[in-house]
Amino acid sequence: NAGVTQTPKFQVLKTGQSMTLQCAQDMNHNSMYWYRQDPGMGLRLIYYSASEGTTDKGEVPNGYNVSRLNKREFSLRLESAAPSQTSVYFCASRIAGTSGRNEQYFGPGTRLTVT
Amino acid sequence: QKEVEQDPGPLSVPEGAIVSLNCTYSNSAFQYFMWYRQYSRKGPELLMYTYSSGNKEDGRFTAQVDKSSKYISLFIRDSQPSDSATYLCAGGTSGSRLTFGEGTQLTVNP
Repeated sequence: NAGVTQTPKFQVLKTGQSMTLQCAQDMNHNSMYWYRQDPGMGLRLIYYSASEGTTDKGEVPNGYNVSRLNKREFSLRLESAAPSQTSVYFCASRIAGTSGRNEQYFGPGTRLTVT
Repeated sequence: QKEVEQDPGPLSVPEGAIVSLNCTYSNSAFQYFMWYRQYSRKGPELLMYTYSSGNKEDGRFTAQVDKSSKYISLFIRDSQPSDSATYLCAGGTSGSRLTFGEGTQLTVNP
């Protein structure tokens, strides 16, 4: 099992450009999450999908959109990138459902720089 | 005030030392707690998971939760240079969201 995979690993954008970060998990998990990690701020939740077909805003959703494409895939889109979106982005998944399990498993991250 | 407070360090200890990492939280609804280890330029890796109050031990690692004081701890015995990483604590309710601390950067010196 690959677990949680993210593409790309690195990206440099100019202000105003758009891009989509891709995330996939092969653990048959129900819930998926997008976080950003910044120095001094820790991990902050951008958006999450509790189950296929649902998405909800997290702590810092402005400037982002998400799509839960199917059970495996959850993408994060920046429509018009800003320097404030320079960060490391992590995708995570959680089995959820009736399992009672609450652990989240993280991908390797995407390092995004907006100039 | 952040829901989960964690001293960012950095913390530097000699090899073999016992390391104590701590977090406090303010949300009394938190029921489960986790510790993640994050190596430089990698994703967080789940280290310990505890539900409600009590202790959990796994090898050299012990996680403690005291819900009465809203305090969570991670102890590392016989610390090794390979334990050098950032350690993140997190708390969550029965819903799907986790709230993370800022992380404590630990260096274990040979």
